[in-house]
Amino acid sequence: GEDVEQSLFLSVREGDSSVINCTYTDSSSTYLYWYKQEPGAGLQLLTYIFSNMDMKQDQRLTVLLNKKDKHLSLRIADTQTGDSAIYFCARGKNTGFQKLVFGTGTRLLVSP
Amino acid sequence: GAGVSQTPSNKVTEKGKYVELRCDPISGHTALYWYRQSLGQGPEFLIYFQGTGAADDSGLPNDRFFAVRPEGSVSTLKIQRTERGDSAVYLCASSLTSGREQYFGPGTRLTVT
Repeated sequence: GEDVEQSLFLSVREGDSSVINCTYTDSSSTYLYWYKQEPGAGLQLLTYIFSNMDMKQDQRLTVLLNKKDKHLSLRIADTQTGDSAIYFCARGKNTGFQKLVFGTGTRLLVSP
Repeated sequence: GAGVSQTPSNKVTEKGKYVELRCDPISGHTALYWYRQSLGQGPEFLIYFQGTGAADDSGLPNDRFFAVRPEGSVSTLKIQRTERGDSAVYLCASSLTSGREQYFGPGTRLTVT
């Protein structure tokens, strides 16, 4: 996933907001995704956004997309210790089958 | 309902051996994907099935890797003459035909000694 980049680590206090950032290079991406991976587990689909949108909100999660800058962010409001995990940004290219290209993941640590 | 299941959860094999990894997708999902996740990395695409046929196998690293889905449901990823560099977590995902939402299984951790 060399064309999807994420910072490696983020540490926040419980109750704060977390913002995880992602940049990508392929402007033909159609969908952009956020997945969560807890230790020893598979990936959980959190949310995704279509490339013609600039924002999507789903309960505590807000996704912002700046298509011009090819920048995607995931904001988690009122972060809880259970949110501690690795968060992966991914881009999909096709309008049908989505061949996902993932970033290297951001490890979020939430301390009490 | 049941999610994507993968067996075995862990597989340890010796270099040069043959292994098979199984994926059982969510019922009704026609699309099935295999990804490989090396330590500290994000998953990398291997192969995609729509029904029984491999619609895109561009991510398979070499001809030691092969996957089948004979009845359009369960899929098996086969690795011949395993090498230590094949050690990774192999993830399977499935989706409806539209493909926008891929749901992942827990993965099979393959260790080649």
